[in-house]
Amino acid sequence: EVQLVESGGGLVQPGGSLRLSCAASGFAFSTYWMSWVRQAPGKGLEWVAKINPDGSEKDYVDSVKGRFTISRDNARNSLSLQMYSLRVEDTALYYCARQAGIHWGQGTLVTVSS
Amino acid sequence: EIVLTQSPGTLSLSPGERATLSCRASQSVSSSHLAWYHHKHGQAPRLLIYGASSRATGIPDRFSGSGSGTDFTLTISRLEPEDFAVYYCQFYGNSPWTFGQGTKVEIK
Repeated sequence: EVQLVESGGGLVQPGGSLRLSCAASGFAFSTYWMSWVRQAPGKGLEWVAKINPDGSEKDYVDSVKGRFTISRDNARNSLSLQMYSLRVEDTALYYCARQAGIHWGQGTLVTVSS
Repeated sequence: EIVLTQSPGTLSLSPGERATLSCRASQSVSSSHLAWYHHKHGQAPRLLIYGASSRATGIPDRFSGSGSGTDFTLTISRLEPEDFAVYYCQFYGNSPWTFGQGTKVEIK
């Protein structure tokens, strides 16, 4: 059974940092693109970042470029999202997804507030 | 950037009725890169349709997708209680990947 389990969310002040993790199991993690998608309160889904199987290609939505970094550890079947210079508008439920959305985790909540 | 516009914003229907949801792209997209998702509050989104018309694993055949170019449609032939949710279309070709704003299917 495919499982994606996110962790690392929490309350952080504007300008702060946070690192999200996603533990993957049940599929050949190292062979798939992976992505992060978020949903702000009361809003729709927004793609945030993606990474190719060996980690050599990464891309981001414009609003997080230069502030967020996606990475992966194929030996540990783990995906990460390092977030810097967080803004109030980054407040959202962050989902880890296999490829564009074949499978999703349950999400981890990030709240940016003073 | 491909902007996806979904309509209507809300669809009020009864169980057993047919639902037709629309997704319009700001420019022509490859059908290979158009997906539909079902999302209930508090749950993970679930892939329904990929490649505009292919049902994902385990998705019942009351769900069907169609369309090409700039106009795509998700049809639910007979609504079941678990189908009342928000539906999103997604473009997953060249970056940035984008989602429509969603259509809420609610019980009338």
